[in-house]
Amino acid sequence: TQLLEQSPQFLSIQEGENLTVYCNSSSVFSSLQWYRQEPGEGPVLLVTVVTGGEVKKLKRLTFQFGDARKDSSLHITAAQPGDTGLYLCAGVRPRNTPLVFGKGTRLSVIA
Amino acid sequence: KAGVTQTPRYLIKTRGQQVTLSCSPISGHRSVSWYQQTPGQGLQFLFEYFSETQRNKGNFPGRFSGRQFSNSRSEMNVSTLELGDSALYLCASRWDNTDTQYFGPGTRLTVL
Repeated sequence: TQLLEQSPQFLSIQEGENLTVYCNSSSVFSSLQWYRQEPGEGPVLLVTVVTGGEVKKLKRLTFQFGDARKDSSLHITAAQPGDTGLYLCAGVRPRNTPLVFGKGTRLSVIA
Repeated sequence: KAGVTQTPRYLIKTRGQQVTLSCSPISGHRSVSWYQQTPGQGLQFLFEYFSETQRNKGNFPGRFSGRQFSNSRSEMNVSTLELGDSALYLCASRWDNTDTQYFGPGTRLTVL
């Protein structure tokens, strides 16, 4: 059973378009993390959202944590080819227990 | 500061063989976790070591094992390799009592 469902699995868009990636669960997490993974590399943390309803912005990326702390979204404005990669969400449970990862959304931004 | 390093980066083995992968965490990190990443299953947790002790274990068969040394370096071993073990194996380290994982570049294992 996948505790974190990400959608869509694949996304191919033109440069300049906007997009939203979703991360949903029936479980409550103490916080949620978003990572980006590029080919040949390991995932790199982009942001951690902690409070229900929290919104964080990282340049053109906007991250939101659901009020009930069960879901999250990542919105990219005016996507660029450099945004191409695999976006992973990870749920944080009680301290010193393993992170729970979604399967990821593979984004391709075409110039 | 050096990041997490993994060796080797690429490995080709045949069914039935065994393999050992190595991970050197960021200096000062005592927690090391291992993950298997495949296109179909995504990132799946294998185990976590902290101060030479296995602290958490995922749902993988006993063919997958690991250990951690006193300098926090970690190794994982897979015995009796199967075709389905072909994957990217990622190692991640973190500071005590924090949730941010720092990942290495991974070891790409191909089992023929």
